[in-house]
Amino acid sequence: DGGITQSPKYLFRKEGQNVTLSCEQNLNHDAMYWYRQDPGQGLRLIYYSQIVNDFQKGDIAEGYSVSREKKESFPLTVTSAQKNPTAFYLCASRSQGSDTQYFGPGTRLTVL
Amino acid sequence: GENVEQHPSTLSVQEGDSAVIKCTYSDSASNYFPWYKQELGKRPQLIIDIRSNVGEKKDQRIAVTLNKTAKHFSLHITETQPEDSAVYFCAASKGSSYKLIFGSGTRLLVRP
Repeated sequence: DGGITQSPKYLFRKEGQNVTLSCEQNLNHDAMYWYRQDPGQGLRLIYYSQIVNDFQKGDIAEGYSVSREKKESFPLTVTSAQKNPTAFYLCASRSQGSDTQYFGPGTRLTVL
Repeated sequence: GENVEQHPSTLSVQEGDSAVIKCTYSDSASNYFPWYKQELGKRPQLIIDIRSNVGEKKDQRIAVTLNKTAKHFSLHITETQPEDSAVYFCAASKGSSYKLIFGSGTRLLVRP
């Protein structure tokens, strides 16, 4: 777990602004994932990437965008098109050939 | 698509008693079932997982059982301790993407 970092820990955004959440891992994992967690609910998949320069939409991709230019980095942009972006965002990574996903510490985004 | 239901949503037990959390899944092709523990404001931590070729797995006080026919799996915690208090999530995945579909979580409270 210690090899996955997310920044910032807390983020405040005004309505209409785009913000980018950082996710970095030094575990040499091939796959990376972004999940959203709302209070009292489970995690829902936003986007995932299994290899550099390739990514796929998850169940709730609308209003979000990602890039995977480097193996160790998978930033998530929350755009102004996301109607209800206030949530806890979790990044995860997984080694090729393994089932297990390991999570970063999360970023709590609040829209003011 | 896959749907995972988790019960109960809250569970209160006396220290030393056992706790059981149950999940059902809808997609019979799902083949990987992890359980995560999440403390307040923290990242989910994998505590145990099971694959579809195994019916039961145990790790000290924690065990998971899988019934593929009925499409349900359960987490068993024996000799509960106050530090077991947290939210527990089950999840299911299939295929090469290893996308996780999460249950809605169970808040476990262990009373001293």
